[in-house]
Amino acid sequence: QSVLTQPPSVSGAPGQRVTISCTGSSSNIGAGYDVHWYQQLPGTAPKLLIYGNSNRPSGVPDRFSGSKSGTSASLAITGLQAEDEADYYCQSYDSTLSGSNVVFGGGTKLTVL
Amino acid sequence: EVQLVESGGGLVQPGRSLRLSCAASGFTFDDYAIHWVRQAPGKGLEWVSGISWNSGSIAYADSVKGRFTISRDNAMNSLYLQMNNLRPEDTALYYCAKDMSYSSPFLRGDGFDIWGQGTVVTVSS
Repeated sequence: QSVLTQPPSVSGAPGQRVTISCTGSSSNIGAGYDVHWYQQLPGTAPKLLIYGNSNRPSGVPDRFSGSKSGTSASLAITGLQAEDEADYYCQSYDSTLSGSNVVFGGGTKLTVL
Repeated sequence: EVQLVESGGGLVQPGRSLRLSCAASGFTFDDYAIHWVRQAPGKGLEWVSGISWNSGSIAYADSVKGRFTISRDNAMNSLYLQMNNLRPEDTALYYCAKDMSYSSPFLRGDGFDIWGQGTVVTVSS
């Protein structure tokens, strides 16, 4: 059971817009910790897609955008392309009285129809 | 070229030990925290451990605390993970990943911008 909750799967047709949610709580996203997003293509290592809630590393297309509000964050992908089919993970930091850890969401599989 | 290269994985019996290594190149290794992240077969990403640029801050996931030890040698541009008392549930692809945060004393995972290709650890009798 991940501290950050993502939908197991989302899908969309080429050219469409899809969003992937990442729901946390007052001990992680709601506490103000940044959210980062990763794309993992089949058989490859994860790749940083969004850092600091809404920033794109150099080379990441502007079709990818991130946002954060309250205890949740979202990744939006516009102009969906076949090569976007991958697993997507959110990541943040969780701090409670019992300890603090880097945490990942359970991952969302994006299918391009 | 900026890269991280893991090594040291393999097949090991439950209760035995294994030491993973991660060699860095193409960036100033001793300016950044580095983390270990693992992925069990068919599962999601799980953060395992992290170490700050100067080894002043070290953290572990509860699932490995007391069994795994992270360390780094900045002179050798290398990161290590000593894994003792291995369990079948430790079976996974282990990645090392560079933290974006520059010379930070914190281990919040401020975006992992460089990942290695991973090394496979299989714990089975």
